[in-house]
Amino acid sequence: DAKTTQPTSMDCAEGRAANLPCNHSTISGNEYVYWYRQIHSQGPQYIIHGLKNNETNEMASLIITEDRKSSTLILPHATLRDTAVYYCIVRVPTEGANNLFFGTGTRLTVIP
Amino acid sequence: GAGVSQSPSNKVTEKGKDVELRCDPISGHTALYWYRQSLGQGLEFLIYFQGNSAPDKSGLPSDRFSAERTGGSVSTLTIQRTQQEDSAVYLCASSPKGLAGGPRNTGELFFGEGSRLTVL
Repeated sequence: DAKTTQPTSMDCAEGRAANLPCNHSTISGNEYVYWYRQIHSQGPQYIIHGLKNNETNEMASLIITEDRKSSTLILPHATLRDTAVYYCIVRVPTEGANNLFFGTGTRLTVIP
Repeated sequence: GAGVSQSPSNKVTEKGKDVELRCDPISGHTALYWYRQSLGQGLEFLIYFQGNSAPDKSGLPSDRFSAERTGGSVSTLTIQRTQQEDSAVYLCASSPKGLAGGPRNTGELFFGEGSRLTVL
């Protein structure tokens, strides 16, 4: 799986949009971009994924650049419960394929 | 239950003892993963199962670590002669069967809450 680069930490004011960047400059054509988050003392939780088109679900939006070398996870209205470590991963989503390399992620702190 | 279940949630043991950690994946999920997370660190891959077989054992840190899966369901991670550096949260995840990129398989992993192991 391609490696990703994320900032170590970010702060965001409650109610504002949180924009979390991720660089994946060596991503290959069949690799998807996945985002997970891990709230303190819990297991990681899937947020969203995409290949090349922008994606939106009830949790977040994912913006992928045209060259697919970077992406941004957007939490449109951050709440205190969104404080967590956010992991950006790229992988081929085949059944039972190799593991996900999580790296150290971005620690997002939502400030009241 | 509906999610991935792990037990025990907390385990304190003495150095040199053996421990077993259990994972009950979501029913019908054919792939199962074990990860380890030390305090303040990211997730470290240990092993993955496809059905009952483990095509990738590359992450097991030493021969004291082993894992098995029976009936394509429950998995047990065993650590023999535990050492203090084995202290960590051990996370299990499962993922469903489906075609690559198809609607039934988003590639999403569903994680349990983890088993916290403390070796004194």
